[in-house]
Amino acid sequence: NAGVTQTPKFRILKIGQSMTLQCTQDMNHNYMYWYRQDPGMGLKLIYYSVGAGITDKGEVPNGYNVSRSTTEDFPLRLELAAPSQTSVYFCASSYGSDNEKLFFGSGTQLSVL
Amino acid sequence: AQSVTQLDSQVPVFEEAPVELRCNYSSSVSVYLFWYVQYPNQGLQLLLKYLSGSTLVKGINGFEAEFNKSQTSFHLRKPSVHISDTAEYFCAVRTSGTYKYIFGTGTRLKVLA
Repeated sequence: NAGVTQTPKFRILKIGQSMTLQCTQDMNHNYMYWYRQDPGMGLKLIYYSVGAGITDKGEVPNGYNVSRSTTEDFPLRLELAAPSQTSVYFCASSYGSDNEKLFFGSGTQLSVL
Repeated sequence: AQSVTQLDSQVPVFEEAPVELRCNYSSSVSVYLFWYVQYPNQGLQLLLKYLSGSTLVKGINGFEAEFNKSQTSFHLRKPSVHISDTAEYFCAVRTSGTYKYIFGTGTRLKVLA
């Protein structure tokens, strides 16, 4: 049981490049989330999804896009990378309902130079 | 909109001393409250949660927290800390009727020998 898997673990982008951060979970969880973590700022919710085909904005969605075509996968897309998107990105999932526990991936450290 | 405030960004404490990490939330409706711990270079793990019922909740590793509705607080406590408790601790809130988990800015607990 792998849990929540994020790839890549590290990435350096040039300003204006695009990339997709991958997130997959094998727990059949309905709910999936993308957070970014910056020093002293805690975790900020970027986007979340309550099921396949349904996504919604979080606290800081600008500059990002998501899709949820399957229950397992929830990729995060950066279209035009900017230095302000340098951060550590965490994907998380939850079964929802009464099982109130987020399972986190190990994170992707992204630098935009 | 819900929000979470962790007033202490860093808390140094000597080994075997008690510790309290403070968390206050803001929401106009019913909330569910959580504490997560992040060890260096890892994702977050659930320490404990308050969903309903008894206001004193116990979690893993000897931690406990008390939900105080009148003071809108959910402070985390441990009677005797160990070096291994050195980590960053995050308080989080989910408002009833949504599946958005909002995190605080975190408190770095440093246990000194």
